[in-house]
Amino acid sequence: EPEVTQTPSHQVTQMGQEVILRCVPISNHLYFYWYRQILGQKVEFLVSFYNNEISEKSEIFDDQFSVERPDGSNFTLKIRSTKLEDSAMYFCASSFRGQDEQYFGPGTRLTVT
Amino acid sequence: AQRVTQPEKLLSVFKGAPVELKCNYSYSGSPELFWYVQYSRQRLQLLLRHISRESIKGFTADLNKGETSFHLKKPFAQEEDSAMYYCALSMEPQGGSEKLVFGKGTKLTVNP
Repeated sequence: EPEVTQTPSHQVTQMGQEVILRCVPISNHLYFYWYRQILGQKVEFLVSFYNNEISEKSEIFDDQFSVERPDGSNFTLKIRSTKLEDSAMYFCASSFRGQDEQYFGPGTRLTVT
Repeated sequence: AQRVTQPEKLLSVFKGAPVELKCNYSYSGSPELFWYVQYSRQRLQLLLRHISRESIKGFTADLNKGETSFHLKKPFAQEEDSAMYYCALSMEPQGGSEKLVFGKGTKLTVNP
């Protein structure tokens, strides 16, 4: 069964550094999402992406964040200058249509020191 | 604003006992409600959604619009049901992607 994959599984970075989190959605899916979960808190929506553009973003998704689909398979989340409070588990998800079930990746644990 | 509340952070039952995980939501429109489950060291996966009206792994959930609830139930819990359960909401389709709004989750432990 096809799955969403994410790399790396764990990323440690210093405050102020740029990080890129990578996701490979399920191949025929058209809608892509990033969520994050700070330890002990709820899973929060960051951004959705369709047809090569952002369709919705949350208040969390400020100018420090960007997403890209650089080729036909990868979907990336970039944080330009990481802060301590960006430490969280980041989940990528994809769906075939907007209202379909979202399939989640295993997550990338980002630790900012 | 949309909100999903799961009042129990932890829930512990014995094998064979009934289990109910509570979920209440706040949304002025017609939501779509989901239960996602995360077993130990595994990814979030959809357990069920209210529009499909299916019973998955013996779990059912009924959307009660009057009480704005979508509680998850199983008559006889099994040890393999031990996991983290998240209730989630998506809003009326607006022709595009539908973000999920999650509750904080309930950790269910089924004891032998």
